Amino acid sequence: GQQVMQIPQYQHVQEGEDFTTYCNSSTTLSNIQWYKQRPGGHPVFLIQLVKSGEVKKQKRLTFQFGEAKKNSSLHITATQTTDVGTYFCAGYEGQGGSEKLVFGKGMKLTVNP
Amino acid sequence: EPEVTQTPSHQVTQMGQEVILRCVPISNHLYFYWYRQILGQKVEFLVSFYNNEISEKSEIFDDQFSVERPDGSNFTLKIRSTKLEDSAMYFCASKMDRNTGELFFGEGSRLTVL
Repeated sequence: GQQVMQIPQYQHVQEGEDFTTYCNSSTTLSNIQWYKQRPGGHPVFLIQLVKSGEVKKQKRLTFQFGEAKKNSSLHITATQTTDVGTYFCAGYEGQGGSEKLVFGKGMKLTVNP
Repeated sequence: EPEVTQTPSHQVTQMGQEVILRCVPISNHLYFYWYRQILGQKVEFLVSFYNNEISEKSEIFDDQFSVERPDGSNFTLKIRSTKLEDSAMYFCASKMDRNTGELFFGEGSRLTVL
């Protein structure tokens, strides 16, 4: 089945630093979604990317969908302690309208104030 | 803001016992899901439900699992005979329609099987 891989699994940054995390799918995706899960919380939708090469920004977060629609990245600028949590990318399995959203293992972000 | 609600927040049970986890999806949503997350691991798809029937299920969702929407508002997950490895956080999620990407997750029900 489809696999979604994220690197790195863990990221520890100083407050104010920038960083990028990456997501790779074993198959072409119809779209990709990103979710954030705070410690002890539930996944919260951040964004969905649909078009090849699409770039979307949410304040300090920049999301990109690869040209081949098999990878994505999340770049955070000027990290804040409120950014702490696990960031998951997720894609729907196959191209045939599956309802199975496959999540990556997540990137756990910790921030040193 | 509308939200998905789940009960109980934490359930402790003995191995072999039946467990029912309850969810109230957002009222105008049509697609419903159960996911699980073993502590520290990724979120795993269990089942999707639309138009009062299962539309898709994963290999995890074996004969011990069932879902139903008994009264048009609640959406339940039943585990018939719990095993130790069923210990996990179970998340209910819903979305408005087929073309909407965003899943709204509930806060989860933590199941501990002893």
